[in-house]
Amino acid sequence: NAGVTQTPKFRVLKTGQSMTLLCAQDMNHEYMYWYRQDPGMGLRLIHYSVGEGTTAKGEVPDGYNVSRLKKQNFLLGLESAAPSQTSVYFCASALAATDTQYFGPGTRLTVL
Amino acid sequence: TQLLEQSPQFLSIQEGENLTVYCNSSSVFSSLQWYRQEPGEGPVLLVTVVTGGEVKKLKRLTFQFGDARKDSSLHITAAQPGDTGLYLCAANSGGSNYKLTFGKGTLLTVNP
Repeated sequence: NAGVTQTPKFRVLKTGQSMTLLCAQDMNHEYMYWYRQDPGMGLRLIHYSVGEGTTAKGEVPDGYNVSRLKKQNFLLGLESAAPSQTSVYFCASALAATDTQYFGPGTRLTVL
Repeated sequence: TQLLEQSPQFLSIQEGENLTVYCNSSSVFSSLQWYRQEPGEGPVLLVTVVTGGEVKKLKRLTFQFGDARKDSSLHITAAQPGDTGLYLCAANSGGSNYKLTFGKGTLLTVNP
């Protein structure tokens, strides 16, 4: 039982490049979330999903897209990376809306 | 969007001291959670409080939910270096809201 895993752990991009961050959970959770964490800003919700095939916008969705084709995976895409997207990205999953959120170890992304 | 204000933002103390950190808002919550995040890792849930006036203890940590369900505190007795980390509060406003709102956190350093 690995919990929540994130791939990759680190990535450096040039402005304008694209990439996809993968989050996988093996706990059969319905709810999955993508956050970004910046110094002095706390955790901010980018997008979330309440089940397979569904996605919704969070607090800071601009510049990101997501997909939840399989229940266990939640993908976060950056189509054209910008320096403002330099951050640490965390994925989380939960069994229900108000249940414990289990976080992955994070992906540290730098956009030059 | 409800805002969660955490104070202090930074706290540096000596091993053995007691401390209290706070989480406040003008909104009423259906539940409030406290997480601890260690460097390079994702947040991990410490406790969930749901009832106004509720007090929960976890070894040397005491969590209190305000009577009006708008604020919470975390008290640590005889702090140890292992308590070092970022303490985050997160709240859910209930209903059909599937999202948690996080405070910016209190960064605690316990010096040996």
